[in-house]
Amino acid sequence: QVQLVESGGGLVTPGGSLRLSCAVSGFTFGDSFMSWVRQAPGKGLEWVSCIGSSPSTIKYADSVEGRFTISRDSAKNSLYLQLNSLRPADTAVYYCARVLVGTGAGGYYFHMDVWGKGTTVTVSS
Amino acid sequence: SYELTQPPSVSVSPGQTANIPCSGYKLGERYASWYQQKPGQSPVLVMYHDNKRPSGIPERFSGSNFGNSATLTISETQAMDEADYYCQAWDSSTYVVFGGGTTLTVL
Repeated sequence: QVQLVESGGGLVTPGGSLRLSCAVSGFTFGDSFMSWVRQAPGKGLEWVSCIGSSPSTIKYADSVEGRFTISRDSAKNSLYLQLNSLRPADTAVYYCARVLVGTGAGGYYFHMDVWGKGTTVTVSS
Repeated sequence: SYELTQPPSVSVSPGQTANIPCSGYKLGERYASWYQQKPGQSPVLVMYHDNKRPSGIPERFSGSNFGNSATLTISETQAMDEADYYCQAWDSSTYVVFGGGTTLTVL
């Protein structure tokens, strides 16, 4: 079945780095748009980044632009998120999600139909 | 930047209809999606393209989107529907936008 499994979270000091991974199975990863979404403790969902089936399509939220880097390896069916210059405000559960995108009668659509269980990143001294 | 606004909480009695609103500038001209998140769990897509239910989502869930507001409607609300609900839309500049979330209480 379709499955997304995140890993790589942990405790890191401010200014540090982490690399999150998302292992994908059950669908054709190479054809799929993918995204990272995070949720700070007790807060709502915040979109972080997404990447198209071709790496030329990459977008970031303003809050992480220049610090985080999204990438993918189709040979390994894996999605990655490199987190640099981490701040306490980056503390959150990070989810990877499959994205369905396209253009319909109502315009462009972008929604996330499958989510992983998340991996927790804690930034603290 | 584009923003979506949701009320922090909505309450409903079991068996009644719950309406969860989401407002944004000309939201009706975009596609709205909705996610359900129960405590300690990952979000689950419950509505896309304004009013389409993914496989496995009960028919009690429906959606609409007109003008500046989208609404997720849950008919015959059950205790198992208690959760946080998030609306989401796409914007060409902000890209992906989530509402702040609404906690649905069934009491």
